[in-house]
Amino acid sequence: KQEVTQIPAALSVPEGENLVLNCSFTDSAIYNLQWFRQDPGKGLTSLLLIQSSQREQTSGRLNASLDKSSGRSTLYIAASQPGDSATYLCAVYEGTGGFKTIFGAGTRLFVKA
Amino acid sequence: DAGVTQSPTHLIKTRGQQVTLRCSPKSGHDTVSWYQQALGQGPQFIFQYYEEEERQRGNFPDRFSGHQFPNYSSELNVNALLLGDSALYLCASSLLSLDTQYFGPGTRLTVL
Repeated sequence: KQEVTQIPAALSVPEGENLVLNCSFTDSAIYNLQWFRQDPGKGLTSLLLIQSSQREQTSGRLNASLDKSSGRSTLYIAASQPGDSATYLCAVYEGTGGFKTIFGAGTRLFVKA
Repeated sequence: DAGVTQSPTHLIKTRGQQVTLRCSPKSGHDTVSWYQQALGQGPQFIFQYYEEEERQRGNFPDRFSGHQFPNYSSELNVNALLLGDSALYLCASSLLSLDTQYFGPGTRLTVL
């Protein structure tokens, strides 16, 4: 059974700091991995999707990497801003015929001004 | 371009009742997935619909059922509600099941 773990569970950093969020998964037979952001009481916003054949994806100040063999992904946020404060979730896609998305519990990030 | 929409926004029910939640996918999307998110946890996959059929299902009892219509919109039905069914229910759509998922704002269900 696939399990997705995110470390740390919570993180507080000063504005301007570069930071790394970690995601690990137990079964490397995944198709894609996706990072999301969720603001309190809201739906999820897609940040980056990494296909299984890719090693990383970049969008603005965000960079996500994927190492399937070791079951790990990282989300790097450069020059953090107070507006980055949110919960960050990673999810893996697995299955055949149709696909399940398995989420981690998330990392709650607070960026202090 | 309208994104994923869900209705209602909030809902209060009592134990034993039945509820229907609705989702309209993003324009051009053909796949809809449903999730349950308890407070402080990540979303849990309920099931995925494509071409009006359930293609994958998570570890949820048969009390949870769904439907997809020819226009790709979808419904989630929950029968015999339990207190533990209180959660945020999220709908996500994509073009094909492996593509980027776009989430709606969710329906907050409270069971008393």
